[in-house]
Amino acid sequence: DAGVTQSPTHLIKTRGQQVTLRCSPKSGHDTVSWYQQALGQGPQFIFQYYEEEERQRGNFPDRFSGHQFPNYSSELNVNALLLGDSALYLCASSLFVASQPNEQFFGPGTRLTVL
Amino acid sequence: SQQGEEDPQALSIQEGENATMNCSYKTSINNLQWYRQNSGRGLVHLILIRSNEREKHSGRLRVTLDTSKKSSSLLITASRAADTASYFCATDAGSGNTGKLIFGQGTTLQVKP
Repeated sequence: DAGVTQSPTHLIKTRGQQVTLRCSPKSGHDTVSWYQQALGQGPQFIFQYYEEEERQRGNFPDRFSGHQFPNYSSELNVNALLLGDSALYLCASSLFVASQPNEQFFGPGTRLTVL
Repeated sequence: SQQGEEDPQALSIQEGENATMNCSYKTSINNLQWYRQNSGRGLVHLILIRSNEREKHSGRLRVTLDTSKKSSSLLITASRAADTASYFCATDAGSGNTGKLIFGQGTTLQVKP
């Protein structure tokens, strides 16, 4: 049973470019959350997708957008990249159960470097 | 913004000793979770404690939660070199269990063999 997978592992872009990161959730999971982790910091919540819709969003600009597909996989898109977008981007999947805590399973992350 | 703050930021101990990490948070929570991260890789879920629980055990891990003080602690007993990692607390503070986790900045634990 594959866990959460992310691609690519590493990515180098230049300022102003656009990037798409991909995530496949753990088998049986229907919810995908994205986090940004700057070096030496804890992860910060970007947004969460459930039933192909953005259900929650953190304090990130509109340059950050996402999508969830019918097979529950997800993409994170970042437009007009800034140097400050350099970070480890983590995808986490979970199974939504109403009123129950969500144990989230994290992927290995995509390391994005913006030059 | 970070909800939680871990203390200490860094901890170095000898193998076999116990390691205690603390986490403080600001708002009411539904649950608090502890994660481990090795060398900038993905996070591994360690333990979840609900807001109505005070203590929870999992193997060598013991977590306490004091909602009146808005704090939690993670105790790792009989530490091993393999426990060397960064440890994060994360709170779910939304209306209901939202899955929107707010992480602290983490404690870096080094266990010397």
